[in-house]
Amino acid sequence: DTTVKQNPRYKLARVGKPVNLICSQTMNHDTMYWYQKKPNQAPKLLLFYYDKILNREADTFEKFQSSRPNNSFCSLYIGSAGLEYSAMYLCASRDTNTGQLYFGEGSKLTVL
Amino acid sequence: AQSVTQPDARVTVSEGASLQLRCKYSYSGTPYLFWYVQYQRQGLQLLLKYYSGDPVVQGVNGFEAEFSKSDSSFHLRKASVHWSDSAVYFCAASPTGNYKYVFGAGTRLKVIA
Repeated sequence: DTTVKQNPRYKLARVGKPVNLICSQTMNHDTMYWYQKKPNQAPKLLLFYYDKILNREADTFEKFQSSRPNNSFCSLYIGSAGLEYSAMYLCASRDTNTGQLYFGEGSKLTVL
Repeated sequence: AQSVTQPDARVTVSEGASLQLRCKYSYSGTPYLFWYVQYQRQGLQLLLKYYSGDPVVQGVNGFEAEFSKSDSSFHLRKASVHWSDSAVYFCAASPTGNYKYVFGAGTRLKVIA
């Protein structure tokens, strides 16, 4: 099974409210990623876990949190959603041997 | 700054025609290079990758790409497109030994009858 699953597929949130997105993979991949994708823009790397080590991009350091309680799961947490957080959030895991990324179908977040 | 540029946001081609989707990268050295495809309501899927060696790499469904160091490019090609090739295509790069992957903004391909 080479699938990456994301939940929820669609999330509606109010401004100022928290948002928690979940990702899981059963391929035993060491590295998992979260990207933010807005229309007509490139997917933007937010953060990634290598094993239990979290790496966050400098420009999104304070905006997004994440946890990885075990190898299979990774969450993305927004403490207080703003309108600018409306986007598709893509989770991916990396095959160490090939360098290939496996993506989930995405979680579409709409902040009102 | 490291970047990947796909200059064509949208491309329309007729079924059976040849295709080239352009990708330029800006990196010091030669990064690992990838093409991903996203069909409607699906996740991104790998088409092909280049690490080193032969500059022309073959991928799935008849796609191939050619790496050019002098031009800093990694263009995707297909000899004859099918309507099912309609999708968004993303070029991506990852520096050697680095876990970060940088993506282009994607090219939306529409194949018409």
